[in-house]
Amino acid sequence: DIQMTQSPPSLSASVGDRVTITCRASQSISSYLNWYQQKPGKAPELLIYVASSLQSGVPSRFSGSGSGTDFTLTISSLQPEDFATYYCQQSSSTPRTFGQGTKVEIK
Amino acid sequence: QVQLVESGGGVVQSGRSLRLSCAASGFIFSGYGMHWVRQAPGKGLEWVAVIWYDGSNKDYADSVKGRFSISRDNSKNTLYLQMNSLRAEDTAVYYCARGWRIVGASGADAFDIWGQGTMVTVSS
Repeated sequence: DIQMTQSPPSLSASVGDRVTITCRASQSISSYLNWYQQKPGKAPELLIYVASSLQSGVPSRFSGSGSGTDFTLTISSLQPEDFATYYCQQSSSTPRTFGQGTKVEIK
Repeated sequence: QVQLVESGGGVVQSGRSLRLSCAASGFIFSGYGMHWVRQAPGKGLEWVAVIWYDGSNKDYADSVKGRFSISRDNSKNTLYLQMNSLRAEDTAVYYCARGWRIVGASGADAFDIWGQGTMVTVSS
């Protein structure tokens, strides 16, 4: 199974900050990496697919990059509605696996 | 609108069975693979199972293999998860999710539509 490791597990940031979350796969997954946002009590929502493609309706302040084993999710200017938990997920093989999540909190 | 609605969750004793349903609407259900994903209280997301668009292939997480069975009825636009021999560690919110196949990315998909989730509590 492919293991996905996110860092950091949590971070505190202010509105307007640039935020970067990293995700590392235990083996190469090409660009088969997706990012999701989850708010408390809600289902996850797809933000980024195949590492860098922005899902329809997602603000352009979100961006993704990387390939192989190392990936990054960047929020260019954090907004109040962005405080949430973010998960990476590989779709290179089954079982699909998620990172453990990164909780973005208000500083 | 495009929607997935889960049902069937509840409180069940350890060792018993439960069947979850996921009703799809607003899209051609028979054109998509479908997944179940769960989330234990306060924990992260765990993929559970997948079924291909036509039901011809299925796969499971090791943690549920041999106990859970995924199925679908394309005539009813409904996905199912039969859960047998339930354990306390199966306690979670269970989400169904649509597997959106990404054009040009061989075999890759993303979970683009999610249901609201249904809670399963296994008591000992």
